[in-house]
Amino acid sequence: EAGVAQSPRYKIIEKRQSVAFWCNPISGHATLYWYQQILGQGPKLLIQFQNNGVVDDSQLPKDRFSAERLKGVDSTLKIQPAKLEDSAVYLCASSLAPGLRTDTQYFGPGTRLTVL
Amino acid sequence: TQLLEQSPQFLSIQEGENLTVYCNSSSVFSSLQWYRQEPGEGPVLLVTVVTGGEVKKLKRLTFQFGDARKDSSLHITAAQPGDTGLYLCAGAKGGSTLGRLYFGRGTQLTVWP
Repeated sequence: EAGVAQSPRYKIIEKRQSVAFWCNPISGHATLYWYQQILGQGPKLLIQFQNNGVVDDSQLPKDRFSAERLKGVDSTLKIQPAKLEDSAVYLCASSLAPGLRTDTQYFGPGTRLTVL
Repeated sequence: TQLLEQSPQFLSIQEGENLTVYCNSSSVFSSLQWYRQEPGEGPVLLVTVVTGGEVKKLKRLTFQFGDARKDSSLHITAAQPGDTGLYLCAGAKGGSTLGRLYFGRGTQLTVWP
């Protein structure tokens, strides 16, 4: 079974530029998550989708970050314009049944973003 | 402010030693998970504990969930170089935050041959 796919794996941009990340979850997983992991910290949830609807985006900086999940499968996360503090690894995860306490989130390899 | 505090932040030990990593909070969680993350990869789930006082063993790893479901520990017996990695605890609160995980900062473990 294929895992969660993310691209690109690395991205270097200058501040005020725009960037987009792509995620393809595990087939059949209705729930998709985007996390931000700053160096030395644990992942922080940015947004959670259930199919193509947003469940939780309370931690998403909406003035510069946006995300969409058209057709309830692939998802893109965009930053516009980027700031230096956005340098981090952006992780995508998917799961089958977030209503179960034993639900497992499967993570992709992440995209490492460096903002200069 | 982190909802889950992990300690220690860094741990460097020799092969064969035992170690314990702690994950503490003032909040109650419906379940708690432990992940291991290696460089350039996403976290991989090791275990989920859901009942207060629960103990789970995975080969040389022993996981415990506190009686009040506010804290957890990970104990590794006879550590090996292959155990090297970032260990993350993550708690789920359920209810309106269904599926959302709150991660600790992680413990970076290095096991030297």
